[in-house]
Amino acid sequence: EAGVTQSPTHLIKTRGQQATLRCSPISGHTSVYWYQQALGLGLQFLLWYDEGEERNRGNFPPRFSGRQFPNYSSELNVNALELEDSALYLCASSLIRRQGQLEQYFGPGTRLTVT
Amino acid sequence: TQLLEQSPQFLSIQEGENLTVYCNSSSVFSSLQWYRQEPGEGPVLLVTVVTGGEVKKLKRLTFQFGDARKDSSLHITAAQPGDTGLYLCAGDDSWGKLQFGAGTQVVVTP
Repeated sequence: EAGVTQSPTHLIKTRGQQATLRCSPISGHTSVYWYQQALGLGLQFLLWYDEGEERNRGNFPPRFSGRQFPNYSSELNVNALELEDSALYLCASSLIRRQGQLEQYFGPGTRLTVT
Repeated sequence: TQLLEQSPQFLSIQEGENLTVYCNSSSVFSSLQWYRQEPGEGPVLLVTVVTGGEVKKLKRLTFQFGDARKDSSLHITAAQPGDTGLYLCAGDDSWGKLQFGAGTQVVVTP
């Protein structure tokens, strides 16, 4: 069974541009999560989508946005890129929680570099 | 915000030694996960603990969930170079997302 996939692997943009990152969840998973992992820092929660709806978002400005498509794949958009947006962007998927367990399975990430 | 604190931040040991990584919070979590992440890759789920006092073993790795479901530990016996990586704990805050600790970087040298 295929895992979570993300594209592109690497993305280089200049300050002020827009970046679009894509994620395909594990087959059967309806929830998609986005995280930012800056160098030397932990995972910072960005967004959670389930059944096409945004369920929760982390403490990030509105220029970070996204959507989930009917096939449960997802897209993260970052507008007006800033140098500090350079990071590894991780996507994770999960099934609807069972017995209080929330297990997320991560993709390999997209390395975004803003110059 | 429920915060998870991991300690130590960095651990360097020789092959064959034992190590323990701690994950602590002042908040109660409905479950807690441990992940291992290698450079440039996504975290890989190792285990989920749900019940207070629960102990799970995965080969040479032993995971324990505190009785009050606020803390957890990961113990590795006879560490090997393949155990090298960033170990992350994450708590389910029951609001649909995980709270991650900052991670413990483990380096096992031959």
